[in-house]
This record gives sequence, C-alpha cells and structure tokens, in this order.
Amino acid sequence: KQEVTQIPAALSVPEGENLVLNCSFTDSAIYNLQWFRQDPGKGLTSLLLIQSSQREQTSGRLNASLDKSSGRSTLYIAASQPGDSATYLCAVSRTGRRALTFGSGTRLQVQP
Amino acid sequence: SAVISQKPSRDICQRGTSLTIQCQVDSQVTMMFWYRQQPGQSLTLIATANQGSEATYESGFVIDKFPISRPNLTFSTLTVSNMSPEDSSIYLCSVEAVGGADTQYFGPGTRLTVL
Repeated sequence: KQEVTQIPAALSVPEGENLVLNCSFTDSAIYNLQWFRQDPGKGLTSLLLIQSSQREQTSGRLNASLDKSSGRSTLYIAASQPGDSATYLCAVSRTGRRALTFGSGTRLQVQP
Repeated sequence: SAVISQKPSRDICQRGTSLTIQCQVDSQVTMMFWYRQQPGQSLTLIATANQGSEATYESGFVIDKFPISRPNLTFSTLTVSNMSPEDSSIYLCSVEAVGGADTQYFGPGTRLTVL
C-alpha cells in the first residue's frame, strides 16, 4: 500500500526566503506526482504535475523535482511571499489506479 | 483544464439524516473521484465514480453509507447516509480531464457538519 510522507509538517519563514518542501513515497511504481496548494476553507489548486518519466517541472517561482528510484520529490519555492502562505500537498497516482494518494501536507506561513 | 462546481458548498445536518452532494463539470471527463478531508487531516479517497456502472469503493467505505451515482460524463452525486458527527468533513469531487495531461482538478468542496 502506497504511503506518502511530507516533511516538515509546518514551516514559518520570513518573506523573501527560498524554501524546500519534501515529499517521500514508499512505492516507486508511480504514474505521476502532483503538488497542490490548499488555502484555509478552500479546495485544492494544482501547482505542478510531474510524470514518472520526468525529473522536474517549473512554473514561475516554483520548481518540483522527482527522484522516482529513491521515492522522493521536492517543491522549491523561490523568493517566498506572504501570498504563498497555504498548505502544500503532495500526491501520487499509479498506472491502473489514477486516484491520488495524498501526503499529510506542509503548512507554510510566510511572514511579511 | 476543467471547472468543477459542487452543491451545496456547506451544510449543517442532524444525526441520522442523509445529504446528497452534487458535482458538475464543465466538460466531459474520463475519471471522477470522491475524497473526504476530515478536520485537520489530509485527503482520503472514498471511491471512483464510474459512468454507467457501480462505483469502486476504497477499503473502509461502503456503498450503503456512501452511495454514488454517475449518470453521464459531466455529473456525479455522493450521498452521505445515516449521518453521525464522525461524518463531519469536507467532501471533494475531483476529475481527470480528457486531454488534460493527467492533471487532476478539484472542486471547491462541500463542508458538512453533523450535529
């Protein structure tokens, strides 16, 4: 059974810092990995999707990497802003089962 | 991308009653899923909603408690039956769109409180 772990559970940084969120998964036979953002009381916003054959994806100040063999992904946020404050969720799917298995999330607070 | 709406956005219900949540997508989609997010927790898959056939439920979730319908490629409902306070959660619908490069999109969620 796939298990997804995210470290740290919570993170508070001053504005402008670069930061890294970590995600690990136990079964490397994934189809893809997706990073989401969830604001309090809101649904999920997809940030980046990495196919199992890819190593990284970039969107603006966000960069996600994937090391499938070691079961790890990182989300790098450059020059953090208070508007980045949210919970970040990592989720994986596998071939033949496209539903997502989620990690417990990292709650990020960026201090102005 | 796919735009997903859910109704109701929130509700407060009495123990023992049932609530049906609707999920509407603005385009035809291949896969539809229902997730639950309990307070302070991450998301857990309830079931995959299959068009024209019975939903596929995850371990710990049963059809009698969470009946699901998917009559076409853009609509699904989830019913939470015989509710108890433990059912208080956010219920989210998600889809994998045709030609969406496998990205899954989520609805805004339905916040359910059971008294």
